[in-house]
Amino acid sequence: DAKTTQPPSMDCAEGRAANLPCNHSTISGNEYVYWYRQIHSQGPQYIIHGLKNNETNEMASLIITEDRKSSTLILPHATLRDTAVYYCIVRFSQGGSEKLVFGKGTKLTVNP
Amino acid sequence: GAVVSQHPSWVICKSGTSVKIECRSLDFQATTMFWYRQFPKQSLMLMATSNEGSKATYEQGVEKDKFLINHASLTLSTLTVTSAHPEDSSFYICSVASGSSYNEQFFGPGTRLTVL
Repeated sequence: DAKTTQPPSMDCAEGRAANLPCNHSTISGNEYVYWYRQIHSQGPQYIIHGLKNNETNEMASLIITEDRKSSTLILPHATLRDTAVYYCIVRFSQGGSEKLVFGKGTKLTVNP
Repeated sequence: GAVVSQHPSWVICKSGTSVKIECRSLDFQATTMFWYRQFPKQSLMLMATSNEGSKATYEQGVEKDKFLINHASLTLSTLTVTSAHPEDSSFYICSVASGSSYNEQFFGPGTRLTVL
């Protein structure tokens, strides 16, 4: 079973920041938080991951609370092409056999 | 990131026939590939982990004799749905583990299977 809880859906206005929350209260000390997204009828796309420090890349920022029980994915300037289902996943980072367990994710709709 | 392709992108077949889906890692050698299945309006479910040169590891509830996986090279894994039935109609997606620490998985575009 997925170890994360996400709201089923969110809306965001184009050009505004999209803040997607994720609860992972049972996360263990050596588990990372990963974010993927899936645009309709496509394979998932890796976005970002982190352990305990906040992370930023060209796609998004990841804010992890100090107790690591929750995190927020931030898309700073959402576009219509960011409409997708966003999955928050916790897993161990290393190990080729470490699988990804997908929950139901959050369906983000970016409106014009 | 890694570039992963799947072929075919969609396939329609008759009930009782077998269908082979290919997953290729185009720009690096992948010792581990994963196969997922996604039914409409549901999340991805891992079916099996494919290891180059050895037998695949199947998730609980996935029939290994029905979903045959072959990972004969570092760039190709195949999934064969044998004796397909309408309930096997789904979106099949593969992924490859990238890098020595497998921090990321890169996914293929998926294959839509429809069994009539």
